[in-house]
Amino acid sequence: DTAVSQTPKYLVTQMGNDKSIKCEQNLGHDTMYWYKQDSKKFLKIMFSYNNKELIINETVPNRFSPKSPDKAHLNLHINSLELGDSAVYFCASSQVGRPGIDEQFFGPGTRLTVL
Amino acid sequence: AQSVSQHNHHVILSEAASLELGCNYSYGGTVNLFWYVQYPGQHLQLLLKYFSGDPLVKGIKGFEAEFIKSKFSFNLRKPSVQWSDTAEYFCAPLPNSGYSTLTFGKGTMLLVSP
Repeated sequence: DTAVSQTPKYLVTQMGNDKSIKCEQNLGHDTMYWYKQDSKKFLKIMFSYNNKELIINETVPNRFSPKSPDKAHLNLHINSLELGDSAVYFCASSQVGRPGIDEQFFGPGTRLTVL
Repeated sequence: AQSVSQHNHHVILSEAASLELGCNYSYGGTVNLFWYVQYPGQHLQLLLKYFSGDPLVKGIKGFEAEFIKSKFSFNLRKPSVQWSDTAEYFCAPLPNSGYSTLTFGKGTMLLVSP
């Protein structure tokens, strides 16, 4: 009955590879997010999708491409991985637009290590 | 755009000590305010939130926070910490308008020694 799930939990890969992280939420929320948490624990928004449409893109390199096949899924594809991409990536969801219900629910995170 | 500042990056306390973590935000409109906690190796969890009404809000595990609008602050408090409170704490304002998103502070690492 996990609300927001991510796969994989850990991802170790070489520089230059292409990888994907999947996210699914079963809360019926309209909006999903990707956050990046760096080694200093600084958590920063990357993307936000509402009903499969991109609404926020926070100056993220083109190598990062989110894909939302339906409103319950928001996958993150990363091309040509670089050392600086190593971080923990968190997916989240919320029901935007409903006052008092804008709490975001977070997934368990995916720890990406680029060698 | 909104921003948030957490004053302490690291706090070390002994069990039973009182805790107060500072959080100040800047935003011209109405905001909802959140504190999230991240226990070692775990994902972010909501600790408490303020939307409206009583500015003193109570959350899980004995935590509370007070919204002081004039000071743009939302400080987190707990009268007596436990070893299990060791975690990273994030303050996050959320503008109360349309497709807004959380802006997280840089976090405060709390270490409670037994």
